[in-house]
Amino acid sequence: AQSVTQLDSQVPVFEEAPVELRCNYSSSVSVYLFWYVQYPNQGLQLLLKYLSGSTLVKGINGFEAEFNKSQTSFHLRKPSVHISDTAEYFCAVSDHAGGTSYGKLTFGQGTILTVHP
Amino acid sequence: DAGVTQSPTHLIKTRGQQVTLRCSPKSGHDTVSWYQQALGQGPQFIFQYYEEEERQRGNFPDRFSGHQFPNYSSELNVNALLLGDSALYLCASSLPTPQETQYFGPGTRLLVL
Repeated sequence: AQSVTQLDSQVPVFEEAPVELRCNYSSSVSVYLFWYVQYPNQGLQLLLKYLSGSTLVKGINGFEAEFNKSQTSFHLRKPSVHISDTAEYFCAVSDHAGGTSYGKLTFGQGTILTVHP
Repeated sequence: DAGVTQSPTHLIKTRGQQVTLRCSPKSGHDTVSWYQQALGQGPQFIFQYYEEEERQRGNFPDRFSGHQFPNYSSELNVNALLLGDSALYLCASSLPTPQETQYFGPGTRLLVL
Protein backbone atom coordinates (compact mmCIF):
# COMPACT_ATOMS: atom_id res chain seq x y z
CA ALA A 1 0.00 0.00 0.00
CA GLN A 2 1.10 3.54 -0.64
CA SER A 3 0.68 6.70 1.37
CA VAL A 4 1.31 10.36 0.64
CA THR A 5 2.14 13.10 3.12
CA GLN A 6 1.90 16.75 2.23
CA LEU A 7 3.89 18.46 4.91
CA ASP A 8 2.13 21.83 4.86
CA SER A 9 -1.63 22.21 5.02
CA GLN A 10 -1.47 25.92 4.18
CA VAL A 11 1.22 28.03 2.49
CA PRO A 12 0.77 31.81 2.33
CA VAL A 13 3.09 33.70 -0.01
CA PHE A 14 3.32 37.11 -1.64
CA GLU A 15 2.90 37.62 -5.35
CA GLU A 16 6.10 37.15 -7.40
CA ALA A 17 7.80 35.24 -4.57
CA PRO A 18 9.02 31.66 -5.07
CA VAL A 19 7.11 28.78 -3.52
CA GLU A 20 7.75 25.13 -2.70
CA LEU A 21 5.00 22.68 -1.76
CA ARG A 22 6.36 19.56 -0.12
CA CYS A 23 5.29 15.99 -0.75
CA ASN A 24 6.68 12.73 0.63
CA TYR A 25 5.43 9.28 -0.24
CA SER A 26 5.74 5.76 1.02
CA SER A 27 5.52 2.67 -1.16
CA SER A 28 6.99 -0.81 -1.31
CA VAL A 29 6.94 -0.80 -5.12
CA SER A 30 7.81 1.61 -7.88
CA VAL A 31 5.42 4.50 -8.29
CA TYR A 32 4.31 7.14 -10.70
CA LEU A 33 3.96 10.61 -9.17
CA PHE A 34 1.49 13.38 -9.93
CA TRP A 35 0.61 16.90 -8.86
CA TYR A 36 -2.95 18.12 -9.35
CA VAL A 37 -4.48 21.56 -8.70
CA GLN A 38 -8.06 22.19 -7.58
CA TYR A 39 -9.62 25.62 -7.92
CA PRO A 40 -12.69 26.41 -5.77
CA ASN A 41 -15.77 24.44 -6.79
CA GLN A 42 -13.94 22.64 -9.58
CA GLY A 43 -12.47 19.22 -10.28
CA LEU A 44 -8.77 18.42 -10.34
CA GLN A 45 -6.43 19.46 -13.13
CA LEU A 46 -3.08 17.79 -13.76
CA LEU A 47 -0.07 20.08 -13.33
CA LEU A 48 2.65 17.52 -14.05
CA LYS A 49 3.63 13.89 -13.65
CA TYR A 50 6.77 11.81 -13.23
CA LEU A 51 6.87 8.43 -14.94
CA SER A 52 10.58 7.77 -15.51
CA GLY A 53 13.74 9.40 -16.82
CA SER A 54 14.82 12.89 -15.84
CA THR A 55 13.99 13.60 -12.22
CA LEU A 56 13.10 17.22 -12.94
CA VAL A 57 9.65 17.47 -14.45
CA LYS A 58 8.18 20.62 -15.95
CA GLY A 59 4.46 21.19 -16.01
CA ILE A 60 1.86 23.77 -16.89
CA ASN A 61 1.67 27.33 -15.60
CA GLY A 62 5.41 27.47 -14.84
CA PHE A 63 5.40 24.74 -12.20
CA GLU A 64 8.10 22.08 -11.89
CA ALA A 65 8.79 19.20 -9.52
CA GLU A 66 11.79 17.09 -8.66
CA PHE A 67 11.65 13.39 -7.92
CA ASN A 68 14.09 12.30 -5.22
CA LYS A 69 14.04 8.54 -4.83
CA SER A 70 16.38 8.38 -1.84
CA GLN A 71 14.25 10.84 0.10
CA THR A 72 10.97 9.55 -1.39
CA SER A 73 9.96 13.11 -2.15
CA PHE A 74 8.33 14.94 -5.03
CA HIS A 75 8.29 18.63 -4.13
CA LEU A 76 6.50 21.16 -6.33
CA ARG A 77 8.11 24.52 -7.07
CA LYS A 78 7.40 27.75 -8.88
CA PRO A 79 9.95 30.56 -9.09
CA SER A 80 7.41 33.39 -9.13
CA VAL A 81 3.76 32.98 -8.18
CA HIS A 82 0.72 34.93 -9.33
CA ILE A 83 -2.57 35.72 -7.62
CA SER A 84 -4.21 33.24 -9.99
CA ASP A 85 -2.13 30.39 -8.49
CA THR A 86 -4.27 30.56 -5.34
CA ALA A 87 -5.79 27.08 -5.13
CA GLU A 88 -5.43 23.73 -3.40
CA TYR A 89 -2.66 21.44 -4.59
CA PHE A 90 -2.65 17.65 -4.28
CA CYS A 91 0.24 15.25 -4.60
CA ALA A 92 -0.69 11.72 -5.70
CA VAL A 93 0.97 8.39 -6.42
CA SER A 94 0.03 5.27 -8.30
CA ASP A 95 2.01 2.07 -8.25
CA HIS A 96 3.02 0.11 -11.31
CA ALA A 97 3.68 -3.23 -9.73
CA GLY A 98 2.45 -5.32 -12.59
CA GLY A 99 -0.73 -7.10 -13.52
CA THR A 100 -2.91 -5.79 -10.72
CA SER A 101 -1.86 -2.19 -11.06
CA TYR A 102 -4.53 -0.16 -12.80
CA GLY A 103 -3.66 3.40 -11.92
CA LYS A 104 -5.48 3.84 -8.62
CA LEU A 105 -4.39 7.24 -7.31
CA THR A 106 -3.55 7.73 -3.64
CA PHE A 107 -3.71 11.41 -2.73
CA GLY A 108 -2.21 13.51 0.02
CA GLN A 109 -4.34 15.75 2.22
CA GLY A 110 -3.72 18.79 0.07
CA THR A 111 -1.90 22.11 0.51
CA ILE A 112 -3.82 25.36 0.22
CA LEU A 113 -1.64 27.95 -1.51
CA THR A 114 -2.74 31.54 -0.92
CA VAL A 115 -1.00 34.23 -2.92
CA HIS A 116 -1.27 37.73 -1.44
CA PRO A 117 -0.81 40.95 -3.42
CA ASP B 1 -14.01 18.05 -26.68
CA ALA B 2 -16.40 18.33 -23.74
CA GLY B 3 -14.07 16.68 -21.26
CA VAL B 4 -15.43 14.67 -18.35
CA THR B 5 -18.97 15.60 -17.39
CA GLN B 6 -20.88 14.67 -14.26
CA SER B 7 -24.50 14.99 -13.20
CA PRO B 8 -26.09 16.27 -11.13
CA THR B 9 -23.85 19.05 -9.82
CA HIS B 10 -25.50 19.11 -6.41
CA LEU B 11 -27.77 16.72 -4.54
CA ILE B 12 -29.46 16.68 -1.15
CA LYS B 13 -30.65 13.38 0.34
CA THR B 14 -31.72 12.12 3.73
CA ARG B 15 -30.24 9.26 5.72
CA GLY B 16 -31.26 5.83 4.46
CA GLN B 17 -32.01 6.96 0.92
CA GLN B 18 -30.26 5.79 -2.21
CA VAL B 19 -28.47 7.96 -4.77
CA THR B 20 -27.17 7.54 -8.32
CA LEU B 21 -24.45 9.76 -9.76
CA ARG B 22 -23.51 9.81 -13.43
CA CYS B 23 -20.33 10.35 -15.39
CA SER B 24 -19.50 10.68 -19.08
CA PRO B 25 -15.81 10.20 -19.87
CA LYS B 26 -13.60 12.30 -22.09
CA SER B 27 -13.80 11.32 -25.74
CA GLY B 28 -11.53 8.34 -26.48
CA HIS B 29 -11.28 7.18 -22.88
CA ASP B 30 -12.54 3.75 -21.85
CA THR B 31 -11.65 3.66 -18.15
CA VAL B 32 -13.60 5.42 -15.40
CA SER B 33 -12.53 5.83 -11.78
CA TRP B 34 -14.58 7.25 -8.92
CA TYR B 35 -13.23 9.15 -5.92
CA GLN B 36 -14.81 10.54 -2.76
CA GLN B 37 -13.48 13.86 -1.45
CA ALA B 38 -14.68 14.74 2.04
CA LEU B 39 -14.42 18.36 3.11
CA GLY B 40 -10.83 19.35 3.76
CA GLN B 41 -9.46 16.00 2.61
CA GLY B 42 -7.78 14.59 -0.46
CA PRO B 43 -9.79 12.39 -2.81
CA GLN B 44 -10.09 8.72 -1.87
CA PHE B 45 -10.36 5.99 -4.50
CA ILE B 46 -13.69 4.15 -4.54
CA PHE B 47 -13.38 1.90 -7.62
CA GLN B 48 -12.44 1.73 -11.27
CA TYR B 49 -14.39 0.37 -14.24
CA TYR B 50 -12.96 -0.96 -17.48
CA GLU B 51 -14.71 -3.04 -20.14
CA GLU B 52 -17.93 -2.77 -18.12
CA GLU B 53 -16.40 -4.51 -15.11
CA GLU B 54 -15.09 -3.32 -11.77
CA ARG B 55 -11.39 -4.13 -11.87
CA GLN B 56 -10.08 -2.42 -8.76
CA ARG B 57 -11.76 -1.32 -5.56
CA GLY B 58 -10.75 0.87 -2.66
CA ASN B 59 -11.68 0.50 0.97
CA PHE B 60 -15.38 1.29 0.67
CA PRO B 61 -18.33 -0.81 1.85
CA ASP B 62 -20.64 -2.73 -0.46
CA ARG B 63 -23.18 0.09 -0.16
CA PHE B 64 -21.09 1.70 -2.87
CA SER B 65 -21.61 0.07 -6.24
CA GLY B 66 -21.22 1.06 -9.84
CA HIS B 67 -21.81 0.28 -13.42
CA GLN B 68 -20.19 1.02 -16.75
CA PHE B 69 -22.19 1.08 -19.97
CA PRO B 70 -21.06 0.06 -23.47
CA ASN B 71 -20.50 3.74 -24.36
CA TYR B 72 -18.02 3.88 -21.38
CA SER B 73 -20.21 6.18 -19.29
CA SER B 74 -20.57 5.16 -15.67
CA GLU B 75 -22.82 5.37 -12.64
CA LEU B 76 -22.02 5.36 -8.95
CA ASN B 77 -24.75 4.11 -6.64
CA VAL B 78 -24.78 4.55 -2.90
CA ASN B 79 -27.41 2.73 -0.82
CA ALA B 80 -28.54 3.36 2.76
CA LEU B 81 -26.95 6.79 2.88
CA LEU B 82 -25.16 7.89 6.04
CA LEU B 83 -24.36 11.40 7.17
CA GLY B 84 -20.69 10.55 6.58
CA ASP B 85 -21.35 10.00 2.88
CA SER B 86 -21.65 13.77 2.45
CA ALA B 87 -18.78 14.67 0.13
CA LEU B 88 -17.74 15.72 -3.34
CA TYR B 89 -17.79 12.71 -5.66
CA LEU B 90 -15.31 12.94 -8.49
CA CYS B 91 -15.24 10.92 -11.66
CA ALA B 92 -12.01 10.56 -13.63
CA SER B 93 -11.52 9.06 -17.07
CA SER B 94 -8.39 7.74 -18.72
CA LEU B 95 -6.91 5.08 -20.93
CA PRO B 96 -6.46 1.77 -19.12
CA THR B 97 -2.78 1.80 -18.10
CA PRO B 98 -1.46 3.30 -14.83
CA GLN B 99 0.84 5.87 -16.42
CA GLU B 100 -2.03 7.52 -18.26
CA THR B 101 -3.32 10.82 -16.95
CA GLN B 102 -6.69 10.71 -15.22
CA TYR B 103 -8.90 13.62 -16.25
CA PHE B 104 -11.35 14.71 -13.60
CA GLY B 105 -14.86 16.02 -13.91
CA PRO B 106 -16.18 18.93 -11.81
CA GLY B 107 -17.77 16.55 -9.32
CA THR B 108 -21.17 16.03 -7.70
CA ARG B 109 -21.59 17.53 -4.26
CA LEU B 110 -23.77 15.26 -2.13
CA LEU B 111 -25.24 16.44 1.14
CA VAL B 112 -26.89 13.84 3.39
CA LEU B 113 -29.20 15.24 6.08
